[in-house]
Amino acid sequence: GENVGLHLPTLSVQEGDNSIINCAYSNSASDYFIWYKQESGKGPQFIIDIRSNMDKRQGQRVTVLLNKTVKHLSLQIAATQPGDSAVYFCAENIDAGNMLTFGGGTRLMVKP
Amino acid sequence: DADVTQTPRNRITKTGKRIMLECSQTKGHDRMYWYRQDPGLGLRLIYYSFDVKDINKGEISDGYSVSRQAQAKFSLSLESAIPNQTALYFCATSSPRTSTDTQYFGPGTRLTVL
Repeated sequence: GENVGLHLPTLSVQEGDNSIINCAYSNSASDYFIWYKQESGKGPQFIIDIRSNMDKRQGQRVTVLLNKTVKHLSLQIAATQPGDSAVYFCAENIDAGNMLTFGGGTRLMVKP
Repeated sequence: DADVTQTPRNRITKTGKRIMLECSQTKGHDRMYWYRQDPGLGLRLIYYSFDVKDINKGEISDGYSVSRQAQAKFSLSLESAIPNQTALYFCATSSPRTSTDTQYFGPGTRLTVL
């Protein structure tokens, strides 16, 4: 199994600033990607998704960018708020088979 | 997400005991999943089911079993719990009939095996 250590990468931002969380995915055949937010003591919550035929998708205060050339996914959060503090996971899916592979997560800490 | 519920939310048990974790959903989804999350790690798939009576092994199925007797319920069993099964367990659902392949997660069960 994985052994990426007990310490999550952490991003610390000032309230009101923009946040960018990055994810490198592993399989060039992946065609669907999701960002999840997990607050302490809760299950992962869907934020935004993107299919491989797109390179950008925007939601409310969030934008996902996909660079298939380098297999990189990013989540941008505009005007970060204290309520955005959580662990963020990317997940990839191949061929719409509903089987997701999750990344290790990044902890976002918002300083007031 | 209140549409996916898990019981119990917390459980402490001893090595060798049989444990069952329950998941129920009111989303009407065909597909259900059990994941395990360890501190600082992402989610790893234990078992999944695409329909009633359909059972498939995931990445880390050893030491676990599941049952899908109804569309809305998917239970996970640890036949003989061991300390390295101490983790957070999440159930999730999805539907191929929706426009996305998104999985929706329950609130989790924290299991501690002493």
